[in-house]
Amino acid sequence: ILNVEQSPQSLHVQEGDSTNFTCSFPSSNFYALHWYRWETAKSPEALFVMTLNGDEKKKGRISATLNTKEGYSYLYIKGSQPEDSATYLCAFIPPSNLDSWGKFQFGAGTQVVVTP
Amino acid sequence: NAGVTQTPKFQVLKTGQSMTLQCAQDMNHEYMSWYRQDPGMGLRLIHYSVGAGITDQGEVPNGYNVSRSTTEDFPLRLLSAAPSQTSVYFCASSRTNNEQFFGPGTRLTVL
Repeated sequence: ILNVEQSPQSLHVQEGDSTNFTCSFPSSNFYALHWYRWETAKSPEALFVMTLNGDEKKKGRISATLNTKEGYSYLYIKGSQPEDSATYLCAFIPPSNLDSWGKFQFGAGTQVVVTP
Repeated sequence: NAGVTQTPKFQVLKTGQSMTLQCAQDMNHEYMSWYRQDPGMGLRLIHYSVGAGITDQGEVPNGYNVSRSTTEDFPLRLLSAAPSQTSVYFCASSRTNNEQFFGPGTRLTVL
């Protein structure tokens, strides 16, 4: 059972258009949320590590927001380019009793296809 | 730095065989973890470790063992391979509270 849900499962975007998608997670027992980008035949690569309610992070044309009280994070891609085509994963991390992270729970991902 | 390395890249096993997937990192990361990736399921955590000598179960630990005798290495052992363990396995490491770095993956087929 996935407690972390991502929507939509996939989306097709025209080059130059902007898009956004959602990661929903349990609003209680929050420690951190990560976003990863996963290109075909490669390994996931980190985009953002978010820990505070209201966090906004930006890397180039990609940005993310975090609402821990309602349990969601948005990822935005501005002016999509073909190289943005990838699966975007979010991971919810609860706290543990070991003064460290607890168990990562990944969503199933949103597959983004940008067509020229 | 080599980052996170995994061996082998590909492996075919027969049902009932055992094997060890190797994972090593040279970044002195405390946190290491093993995931399996299956279609439509995302990445599912098998086992993780927050430091040498400390391991804990993830979401799908059955049929797998781990140990962490050194900071660098975190091998994953399949005790008696089953077709349901056919998957792509990723190892990852990080400093506490920082991004994870993933290895290149091992594609395992169990016949």
